[in-house]
Amino acid sequence: KAGVTQTPRYLIKTRGQQVTLSCSPISGHRSVSWYQQTPGQGLQFLFEYFSETQRNKGNFPGRFSGRQFSNSRSEMNVSTLELGDSALYLCASSPEGRADGYTFGSGTRLTVV
Amino acid sequence: AQTVTQSQPEMSVQEAETVTLSCTYDTSESDYYLFWYKQPPSRQMILVIRQEAYKQQNATENRFSVNFQKAAKSFSLKISDSQLGDAAMYFCAYRWGSNTGNQFYFGTGTSLTVIP
Repeated sequence: KAGVTQTPRYLIKTRGQQVTLSCSPISGHRSVSWYQQTPGQGLQFLFEYFSETQRNKGNFPGRFSGRQFSNSRSEMNVSTLELGDSALYLCASSPEGRADGYTFGSGTRLTVV
Repeated sequence: AQTVTQSQPEMSVQEAETVTLSCTYDTSESDYYLFWYKQPPSRQMILVIRQEAYKQQNATENRFSVNFQKAAKSFSLKISDSQLGDAAMYFCAYRWGSNTGNQFYFGTGTSLTVIP
C-alpha cells in the first residue's frame, strides 16, 4: 500500500514568488491536512480538506490556500512568499474514523531566499 | 483552547535502558484521542501509539507504552529496552473527538538521543 506522497521534496524560491506543493494521500483516505513545521513554532495546522471541501482552517494569512481534487489529491499554494515562510510543509492523510491517527508524508522543504 | 505541552526539549537514554517522555494537555472536552508520533532525521512522522480518552487501560505497542492520567491531563510515553533506532524527535498530539474536523494539536517535541 503506497504511503502519502509529497512533491517536490525540496524547493528554493525567491521572496515575492508563489509556490504550489502537492500531496497524494493513501488510497481510500479522504481527509488531507497540511501542517507547517519550523524550529521556532513547531507544527502548526494550516488546513484540512475532506471530500474536496475545506473543513478546518488554521490561523494563517490568506496567502496560504489549498484545494482538494476528486481523487483526494491535494495542493497547497503560497503566494507572495516571505522569508518567514521557509519551513517543512507536511501533508497527512486519514480515514474518516475519529480515532484514526494521521499518516504523514515526508514533507516538502521550502526555502525562501 | 486545546494546548499540548512537552516540557523536556531533550532527553537521552542508554541503549537497552528505559526512558519516559512527558506530555500534558489542556482541554475541556471529555471525548478525545491522544497520540505519540516519532520523527527521525528522514523527516517522516510515524505514529507510535494512540490512546482513546474513554479507555482507562493504558495503550501498549511492543516496547512502547503510555501512562494516561485523565484527571491530571497527563500522557507520558515509556520506551523500554531502548534501541539506537529509537533516536528521533517525539511529538505528543491531541485530537478532539468530533466529527466536524480532523485537526491535531501537537506539542513542541522532545529530542531523544540513544547512547550506545
